[in-house]
Amino acid sequence: GDSVTQMEGPVTLSEEAFLTINCTYTATGYPSLFWYVQYPGEGLQLLLKATKADDKGSNKGFEATYRKETTSFHLEKGSVQVSDSAVYFCALRRIGSGNTGKLIFGQGTTLQVKP
Amino acid sequence: DVKVTQSSRYLVKRTGEKVFLECVQDMDHENMFWYRQDPGLGLRLIYFSYDVKMKEKGDIPEGYSVSREKKERFSLILESASTNQTSMYLCASAAPPGTGGYEQYFGPGTRLTVT
Repeated sequence: GDSVTQMEGPVTLSEEAFLTINCTYTATGYPSLFWYVQYPGEGLQLLLKATKADDKGSNKGFEATYRKETTSFHLEKGSVQVSDSAVYFCALRRIGSGNTGKLIFGQGTTLQVKP
Repeated sequence: DVKVTQSSRYLVKRTGEKVFLECVQDMDHENMFWYRQDPGLGLRLIYFSYDVKMKEKGDIPEGYSVSREKKERFSLILESASTNQTSMYLCASAAPPGTGGYEQYFGPGTRLTVT
């Protein structure tokens, strides 16, 4: 079945370092792909999305490119800040989910940025 | 702003108790979801509802039931709480993808401890 795999955390970086969080997926066809972020004590919120191959999603300095050939959607940011400390979830929307919009989530990757 | 609220942030219940978790959204969304979030497992879908009184089982429905009597409210019920249901529970709502909706909007979560 469809699945999402993220790199294991936690990831600890110094402020202004470059961030990559790896995400790969298994699915038939061309699922839509998402990154959600969960700040401490809060629910998840959508960070960015891509709906077809080679699309690049971007928001708040974060970027991810939908790579069909490698079935990947890695999250990157050029210079992280302490305020980026959070848990990041990669997700895909199932093909054939009709009008339900059901998502499959990865395990989540905790990012800690130190000053 | 879309708002999804959950009735409690923290809840402690005893084994065997019947537990109700309430979720309310204010965006007139058709689709609502209940997830549980556990370390290393990400988010797993418990139940989904696509209309009033309509529901579908998710990936881990055992031990849970749901109720949706009004469009804005989606309740998760633990019929007889057990210690393995200790977890963070997240509610989400979304417009149907067919209307252009992609984003799921999440509540802040309820951390349930069953002793």
